[in-house]
Amino acid sequence: GEDVEQSLFLSVREGDSSVINCTYTDSSSTYLYWYKQEPGAGLQLLTYIFSNMDMKQDQRLTVLLNKKDKHLSLRIADTQTGDSAIYFCAESMGNTGFQKLVFGTGTRLLVSP
Amino acid sequence: ETGVTQTPRHLVMGMTNKKSLKCEQHLGHNAMYWYKQSAKKPLELMFVYNFKEQTENNSVPSRFSPECPNSSHLFLHLHTLQPEDSALYLCASSQEANEQFFGPGTRLTVL
Repeated sequence: GEDVEQSLFLSVREGDSSVINCTYTDSSSTYLYWYKQEPGAGLQLLTYIFSNMDMKQDQRLTVLLNKKDKHLSLRIADTQTGDSAIYFCAESMGNTGFQKLVFGTGTRLLVSP
Repeated sequence: ETGVTQTPRHLVMGMTNKKSLKCEQHLGHNAMYWYKQSAKKPLELMFVYNFKEQTENNSVPSRFSPECPNSSHLFLHLHTLQPEDSALYLCASSQEANEQFFGPGTRLTVL
């Protein structure tokens, strides 16, 4: 079945790198996403990776995809206190006309000064 | 106004009340979604509408009743809810199977 798993909590110091990990189960996923949720807000798309890529870099964000192990990670370089939030990975099951996403439970990132 | 908006942002209701959540998207998307976000659980997809037609209903209890009068508006009508229905209800929209854009959510508390 569809299942996406993440560790629940990560704590880092400002300036360090953060690595948030995710495992998924459906090898037919076309896209994998990282969303950020700040307190009291909805989900904000951070970045995504197509399933035939193994790495994508976007400024401070680096996404690594190991399709063989069904493992996805998000690395945030030079983590800032404003990066404190909950981070969700999601796999896209793909559909015609709309998108079906399966989300992980989210990783709460706490950045201390 | 741009993006996806939701009203109200907070709602407290009794188990015998009837209320409605509203979502509006200004992005010209064809698909709209309702999700339920409970503490320590993954986001649960509730309903999907594509060009006003319901395409997904993930075994949601009938006390939740969606309505999509047009591609820009989505409602979730609530009646005789239970305390375990207290959660953050998120609306999202997308153009076809492209990325979803989320609204800020309605924080619902059922007493």
